[in-house]
Parts: sequence; C-alpha cells; structure tokens
Amino acid sequence: AQKITQTQPGMFVQEKEAVTLDCTYDTSDQSYGLFWYKQPSSGEMIFLIYQGSYDEQNATEGRYSLNFQKARKSANLVISASQLGDSAMYFCAMRESLNTGNQFYFGTGTSLTVIP
Amino acid sequence: EPEVTQTPSHQVTQMGQEVILRCVPISNHLYFYWYRQILGQKVEFLVSFYNNEISEKSEIFDDQFSVERPDGSNFTLKIRSTKLEDSAMYFCASSEGAGTYEQYFGPGTRLTVT
Repeated sequence: AQKITQTQPGMFVQEKEAVTLDCTYDTSDQSYGLFWYKQPSSGEMIFLIYQGSYDEQNATEGRYSLNFQKARKSANLVISASQLGDSAMYFCAMRESLNTGNQFYFGTGTSLTVIP
Repeated sequence: EPEVTQTPSHQVTQMGQEVILRCVPISNHLYFYWYRQILGQKVEFLVSFYNNEISEKSEIFDDQFSVERPDGSNFTLKIRSTKLEDSAMYFCASSEGAGTYEQYFGPGTRLTVT
C-alpha cells in the first residue's frame, strides 16, 4: 500500500481564491509527522508546513494551513488567497516513527496552476 | 539564510561511468539524506546518514551507491557504474535532528546517463 496518496494530479484555482490539496496517508505508527513541500518549475523543494500526529491544533504558516483529520488519515493543505507564484508542484510527505525513523515518504504530487 | 548547496547542477555521463554528486549541508545540521526524482515521478528516499554512518537506506540504494562525508562540510553520493535508469534529479537534504525536524533540500543535481 502507498504510504502517501495524492489523488489530484492537477488543480486549477483562480487568483485570490482558496484551494485545498488532498493528501491521505497510511501508517500504523502512533508517532509520525506530515510535511508539505512546494516544488516550483526551477526544481528546488521548499518546505511549507508540518503537522505532528500528536498536535491537537491544525498547523498554520501564513497563507498555508493543514487540515489534519487523524481518524480519516488525511492531511490536506489549504492555500488561502492564491497568488500567481503559488503555481508549482506540491508534495505531501510523511515521516514515521518520529523517535527513530528518518525516511520521508512522498506522494506523487499535485500540480497547481493559479489562473489570473 | 543558510541553505543546502549541491554541485554540479547538471551532470551528463556515459553508461558505466562513475559519478560523484556533491552536497554541502547546512552547517549545524546532523542528519543528511539523498533522494532522487525520476522525471515526472515522485521523490524517492535513497539513504540517510548520521554520526558518520548510514542510518537508513531504501531498496533503491544497492551496492552501486555509496555515501561519504569526506570532511566536515561535504556529503557525497557516488554511483559506481551508472545505468540509463539512474537518470534523475538527485536531491540532498539535511536536518537539525530527526523526528519533527523538517528536512531542508538542496536545489538538486540533474543526472543524465547516455
């Protein structure tokens, strides 16, 4: 089974609108972390936001927020007030066994296009 | 702001040749990683390195691959005898710690094997 599933290969959003990028995960660990990265066309991977499995509040970082639903094993990224510069690939990632594991598992990504 | 750097940005090599990809992690970071991304596909974990030894590796990281921290700053990935299917973007990453710490990625090295 895939550790991270991103079911939206491509998304479009109007500038200034909000958009939700879906991510579901699969783990039997109690302690894990969920991360979102942005990959612009230039190729670098930019960290956006982190949610720990024990965090009770949804993580927020500026215009980014993470809608964490633990029972559903989902960690959707919400981008508010989309900007043209948000056009990029977005990857959801998970690190299991936070005390011992180092490996990140990445999803296949969602390509977001912001339309002016 | 400190960043992870990688050289070269693009490497072209012939099948069967050895390549060394270089990375300079963020200076106070203790954990180092290599990932690869075949064009249009997801990012895949190769190996993590801590305290001068491999702490975790994936099934992709076979005997053709090796990593080294030859001095206090560089972190290298060597592919001994490249194959066509090794063509990919290779990302180096580092983190201050394990667990909840995010990994900071370098800009990547695009490896093309002909």
